[in-house]
Amino acid sequence: DAGVIQSPRHEVTEMGQEVTLRCKPISGHNSLFWYRQTMMRGLELLIYFNNNVPIDDSGMPEDRFSAKMPNASFSTLKIQPSEPRDSAVYFCASSPLLGSGDHNEQFFGPGTRLTVL
Amino acid sequence: DAKTTQPTSMDCAEGRAANLPCNHSTISGNEYVYWYRQIHSQGPQYIIHGLKNNETNEMASLIITEDRKSSTLILPHATLRDTAVYYCIVRRSGGGADGLTFGKGTHLIIQP
Repeated sequence: DAGVIQSPRHEVTEMGQEVTLRCKPISGHNSLFWYRQTMMRGLELLIYFNNNVPIDDSGMPEDRFSAKMPNASFSTLKIQPSEPRDSAVYFCASSPLLGSGDHNEQFFGPGTRLTVL
Repeated sequence: DAKTTQPTSMDCAEGRAANLPCNHSTISGNEYVYWYRQIHSQGPQYIIHGLKNNETNEMASLIITEDRKSSTLILPHATLRDTAVYYCIVRRSGGGADGLTFGKGTHLIIQP
Protein backbone atom coordinates (compact mmCIF):
# COMPACT_ATOMS: atom_id res chain seq x y z
CA ASP A 1 0.00 0.00 0.00
CA ALA A 2 1.41 3.38 -1.01
CA GLY A 3 -0.10 5.22 1.92
CA VAL A 4 -1.60 8.68 1.67
CA ILE A 5 -0.13 10.56 -1.25
CA GLN A 6 0.19 14.32 -1.28
CA SER A 7 1.38 16.62 -4.01
CA PRO A 8 3.31 18.73 -4.40
CA ARG A 9 5.70 18.08 -1.54
CA HIS A 10 6.98 21.62 -1.66
CA GLU A 11 5.33 24.73 -3.08
CA VAL A 12 6.71 28.24 -3.23
CA THR A 13 4.45 30.93 -4.53
CA GLU A 14 3.97 34.66 -4.41
CA MET A 15 1.34 36.46 -2.44
CA GLY A 16 -1.92 36.72 -4.35
CA GLN A 17 -1.43 33.56 -6.35
CA GLU A 18 -3.77 30.60 -6.26
CA VAL A 19 -2.43 27.43 -4.63
CA THR A 20 -3.89 23.95 -4.98
CA LEU A 21 -2.79 21.09 -2.76
CA ARG A 22 -3.73 17.54 -3.67
CA CYS A 23 -4.33 14.37 -1.71
CA LYS A 24 -4.97 10.75 -2.61
CA PRO A 25 -6.22 8.78 0.40
CA ILE A 26 -5.53 5.13 1.07
CA SER A 27 -7.77 2.95 -1.05
CA GLY A 28 -10.85 1.85 0.88
CA HIS A 29 -10.65 4.68 3.39
CA ASN A 30 -13.72 6.88 3.30
CA SER A 31 -12.80 9.58 5.79
CA LEU A 32 -10.37 12.28 4.74
CA PHE A 33 -8.89 15.06 6.84
CA TRP A 34 -6.90 18.21 6.09
CA TYR A 35 -4.61 19.61 8.80
CA ARG A 36 -2.25 22.58 8.90
CA GLN A 37 0.89 22.83 11.03
CA THR A 38 2.74 25.99 11.97
CA MET A 39 5.22 26.76 14.71
CA MET A 40 2.85 29.23 16.32
CA ARG A 41 -0.38 27.23 16.23
CA GLY A 42 0.79 23.63 16.02
CA LEU A 43 -1.36 21.04 14.23
CA GLU A 44 -4.87 22.24 13.43
CA LEU A 45 -7.75 20.41 11.79
CA LEU A 46 -9.07 22.41 8.86
CA ILE A 47 -11.83 20.23 7.41
CA TYR A 48 -12.83 16.61 7.09
CA PHE A 49 -14.98 14.54 4.77
CA ASN A 50 -16.91 11.32 5.29
CA ASN A 51 -17.90 9.49 2.12
CA ASN A 52 -16.84 12.53 0.07
CA VAL A 53 -19.18 14.84 2.00
CA PRO A 54 -17.72 17.72 4.02
CA ILE A 55 -18.71 17.19 7.66
CA ASP A 56 -16.96 19.94 9.57
CA ASP A 57 -15.18 22.90 8.01
CA SER A 58 -15.11 25.05 11.13
CA GLY A 59 -11.33 24.95 11.12
CA MET A 60 -11.01 26.56 7.72
CA PRO A 61 -9.46 29.93 8.51
CA GLU A 62 -11.36 32.09 6.06
CA ASP A 63 -13.12 32.21 2.73
CA ARG A 64 -9.84 32.15 0.87
CA PHE A 65 -9.63 28.46 1.75
CA SER A 66 -11.78 25.84 0.07
CA ALA A 67 -11.66 22.05 -0.09
CA LYS A 68 -13.31 19.54 -2.36
CA MET A 69 -13.53 15.80 -2.61
CA PRO A 70 -15.01 14.96 -6.01
CA ASN A 71 -14.53 11.22 -5.54
CA ALA A 72 -13.28 8.70 -3.02
CA SER A 73 -9.72 8.78 -4.29
CA PHE A 74 -8.98 12.49 -4.58
CA SER A 75 -9.24 15.72 -2.61
CA THR A 76 -7.97 19.24 -3.09
CA LEU A 77 -7.33 22.14 -0.76
CA LYS A 78 -7.26 25.48 -2.53
CA ILE A 79 -6.09 28.85 -1.27
CA GLN A 80 -7.05 31.85 -3.34
CA PRO A 81 -5.52 34.37 -3.03
CA SER A 82 -2.61 33.14 -0.96
CA GLU A 83 -0.98 35.27 1.74
CA PRO A 84 2.36 34.95 3.56
CA ARG A 85 0.58 33.90 6.76
CA ASP A 86 -0.67 30.79 4.93
CA SER A 87 2.89 29.46 4.93
CA ALA A 88 2.74 26.13 6.74
CA VAL A 89 2.92 22.39 6.29
CA TYR A 90 -0.41 20.99 5.15
CA PHE A 91 -1.16 17.36 5.99
CA CYS A 92 -3.80 15.13 4.56
CA ALA A 93 -4.92 12.04 6.49
CA SER A 94 -7.35 9.24 5.80
CA SER A 95 -9.08 6.57 7.84
CA PRO A 96 -11.77 3.95 7.51
CA LEU A 97 -15.23 5.13 8.45
CA LEU A 98 -16.43 2.77 11.15
CA GLY A 99 -19.43 2.65 13.42
CA SER A 100 -19.86 4.22 16.79
CA GLY A 101 -17.42 2.93 19.37
CA ASP A 102 -15.01 1.59 16.79
CA HIS A 103 -11.46 2.73 16.77
CA ASN A 104 -10.09 4.11 13.60
CA GLU A 105 -6.51 5.09 13.13
CA GLN A 106 -5.72 8.09 10.98
CA PHE A 107 -2.95 7.65 8.45
CA PHE A 108 -1.12 10.83 7.56
CA GLY A 109 0.58 11.76 4.35
CA PRO A 110 4.05 13.30 4.18
CA GLY A 111 2.67 16.82 3.97
CA THR A 112 3.04 19.74 1.58
CA ARG A 113 5.35 22.51 2.71
CA LEU A 114 3.87 25.78 1.42
CA THR A 115 5.83 29.00 1.37
CA VAL A 116 4.05 32.18 0.30
CA LEU A 117 6.44 35.05 -0.41
CA ASP B 1 -13.01 16.50 23.75
CA ALA B 2 -11.14 16.74 27.07
CA LYS B 3 -8.00 18.83 27.26
CA THR B 4 -4.64 17.18 27.94
CA THR B 5 -1.48 18.41 29.65
CA GLN B 6 1.96 17.07 28.79
CA PRO B 7 5.50 18.12 29.66
CA THR B 8 7.10 20.20 26.94
CA SER B 9 10.20 18.04 26.63
CA MET B 10 11.92 14.97 28.06
CA ASP B 11 15.23 13.22 27.65
CA CYS B 12 15.84 9.50 27.82
CA ALA B 13 18.96 7.38 27.36
CA GLU B 14 19.03 4.98 24.46
CA GLY B 15 18.04 1.48 25.52
CA ARG B 16 16.15 2.67 28.58
CA ALA B 17 12.39 2.83 29.00
CA ALA B 18 10.85 6.18 28.09
CA ASN B 19 7.85 7.08 30.22
CA LEU B 20 5.72 9.93 28.88
CA PRO B 21 3.02 11.26 31.19
CA CYS B 22 -0.26 12.88 30.25
CA ASN B 23 -2.90 14.50 32.44
CA HIS B 24 -6.51 14.49 31.32
CA SER B 25 -8.40 15.25 34.51
CA THR B 26 -11.61 16.28 32.72
CA ILE B 27 -11.93 13.08 30.71
CA SER B 28 -15.44 11.71 30.53
CA GLY B 29 -16.59 8.13 30.60
CA ASN B 30 -16.92 7.63 26.87
CA GLU B 31 -13.60 9.19 25.93
CA TYR B 32 -10.55 7.24 24.87
CA VAL B 33 -6.89 8.17 25.30
CA TYR B 34 -4.91 8.13 22.05
CA TRP B 35 -1.21 8.61 21.44
CA TYR B 36 0.33 9.75 18.20
CA ARG B 37 3.90 10.77 17.49
CA GLN B 38 5.50 12.96 14.86
CA ILE B 39 9.04 12.35 13.79
CA HIS B 40 10.76 15.40 12.35
CA SER B 41 9.53 16.32 8.84
CA GLN B 42 6.98 13.51 8.78
CA GLY B 43 3.24 13.27 9.32
CA PRO B 44 1.92 12.10 12.69
CA GLN B 45 1.78 8.36 13.30
CA TYR B 46 -0.66 6.44 15.47
CA ILE B 47 0.91 4.57 18.41
CA ILE B 48 -1.76 3.19 20.72
CA HIS B 49 -5.10 3.92 22.36
CA GLY B 50 -7.09 2.78 25.39
CA LEU B 51 -10.22 3.37 27.42
CA LYS B 52 -9.51 2.17 30.97
CA ASN B 53 -7.47 -1.00 30.75
CA ASN B 54 -3.76 -1.02 30.16
CA GLU B 55 -2.84 -1.72 26.57
CA THR B 56 0.25 -3.02 24.83
CA ASN B 57 1.21 -3.37 21.21
CA GLU B 58 4.42 -3.80 19.26
CA MET B 59 5.31 -0.13 19.65
CA ALA B 60 4.43 0.78 23.22
CA SER B 61 2.41 0.24 26.36
CA LEU B 62 -0.28 2.52 27.70
CA ILE B 63 -0.97 2.69 31.42
CA ILE B 64 -4.19 4.47 32.45
CA THR B 65 -4.80 5.27 36.11
CA GLU B 66 -7.87 3.81 37.75
CA ASP B 67 -9.60 7.20 37.92
CA ARG B 68 -8.62 7.74 34.25
CA LYS B 69 -7.38 11.24 34.99
CA SER B 70 -3.88 10.52 33.77
CA SER B 71 -1.95 8.05 31.67
CA THR B 72 1.61 7.10 30.78
CA LEU B 73 2.97 5.99 27.45
CA ILE B 74 5.89 3.62 27.82
CA LEU B 75 8.45 2.92 25.10
CA PRO B 76 10.20 -0.09 26.67
CA HIS B 77 13.58 0.14 24.96
CA ALA B 78 13.98 3.56 23.40
CA THR B 79 16.12 3.96 20.30
CA LEU B 80 17.40 7.07 18.57
CA ARG B 81 14.59 6.67 16.04
CA ASP B 82 12.07 7.26 18.81
CA THR B 83 13.10 10.91 19.02
CA ALA B 84 9.88 12.71 18.14
CA VAL B 85 7.03 14.83 19.45
CA TYR B 86 4.48 12.66 21.24
CA TYR B 87 0.86 13.78 21.39
CA CYS B 88 -1.67 12.59 23.95
CA ILE B 89 -5.21 13.06 22.64
CA VAL B 90 -8.54 12.39 24.31
CA ARG B 91 -11.48 11.74 22.05
CA ARG B 92 -14.93 10.30 22.42
CA SER B 93 -15.84 6.78 21.45
CA GLY B 94 -17.40 6.69 18.06
CA GLY B 95 -15.19 9.59 17.23
CA GLY B 96 -13.47 7.51 14.66
CA ALA B 97 -14.75 9.71 11.91
CA ASP B 98 -13.89 12.96 13.66
CA GLY B 99 -10.73 14.99 13.36
CA LEU B 100 -7.98 14.94 15.96
CA THR B 101 -7.30 17.85 18.30
CA PHE B 102 -3.56 18.08 18.87
CA GLY B 103 -1.98 19.90 21.79
CA LYS B 104 1.65 20.89 21.95
CA GLY B 105 2.87 17.41 22.83
CA THR B 106 6.10 16.27 24.46
CA HIS B 107 9.35 16.50 22.55
CA LEU B 108 11.16 13.29 23.49
CA ILE B 109 14.87 13.28 22.83
CA ILE B 110 16.68 9.96 23.00
CA GLN B 111 20.31 10.44 23.96
CA PRO B 112 22.98 8.04 22.68
